[in-house]
Amino acid sequence: EIVLAQSPGTLSLSPGERVTLSCRASQSVSSDFLAWYQQKRGQAPRLLIYGASSRATGIPDRFSGSGSGTDFVFTISRLEPEDFAVYYCQQYGSIPLTFGGGTKVEI
Amino acid sequence: EVQLEESGGGLVQPGGSLRISCAASGFTFSNFAMNWVRQAPGKGPQWVAIVSTTGDTTYYADSVKGRFTISRDNSKNTLALQMSSLRAEDTALYYCAKGVGASCGTDCDSRIMDVWGKGTTVTVSS
Repeated sequence: EIVLAQSPGTLSLSPGERVTLSCRASQSVSSDFLAWYQQKRGQAPRLLIYGASSRATGIPDRFSGSGSGTDFVFTISRLEPEDFAVYYCQQYGSIPLTFGGGTKVEI
Repeated sequence: EVQLEESGGGLVQPGGSLRISCAASGFTFSNFAMNWVRQAPGKGPQWVAIVSTTGDTTYYADSVKGRFTISRDNSKNTLALQMSSLRAEDTALYYCAKGVGASCGTDCDSRIMDVWGKGTTVTVSS
């Protein structure tokens, strides 16, 4: 099973700031099959990024992803008020599919 | 509008069984792989199972293998999860989630989850 470690656990930021989140895999993620999701309180996760760097349909370009192998990065270029949430990475290159523990982005 | 709506959750005793369902609408259900993902209170999501478009291929998390069965009825646009030998650690909000694609080919997009329901709560307690 591929274990995904996300850091930091919590980020305290202000609107307008740049956000960089890390996701490190315990072994190489096949074909960089890594996705990022956003989850707000009381809501289901929302797909943002897949294939490490491709934005899902309708996702603003302030959200981006990069990385390969075992090290992946998620970036929000300029925080909007609606971006305060928990962000999860997920690998889908091997079964079982696994999620990271999440990073909370708070004001 | 693409929608998924889970139902059937509830309180069940340890060792008991429960069947939860997911009704799909707004898309051609038979063209997409489907997943169940659960989330315990205060925890991150945990993938549970995936089923292929035809229902003939399934995969499970180790923690539920042999106890849970995922299935689908393409004629009724429904996904199901039959859960047995339930344990306290199975307590969670259970989401159904649509795969972006049909299979794990070049892009493995069947395992990317682009539409989620609101979830149904399963509580295992005596």
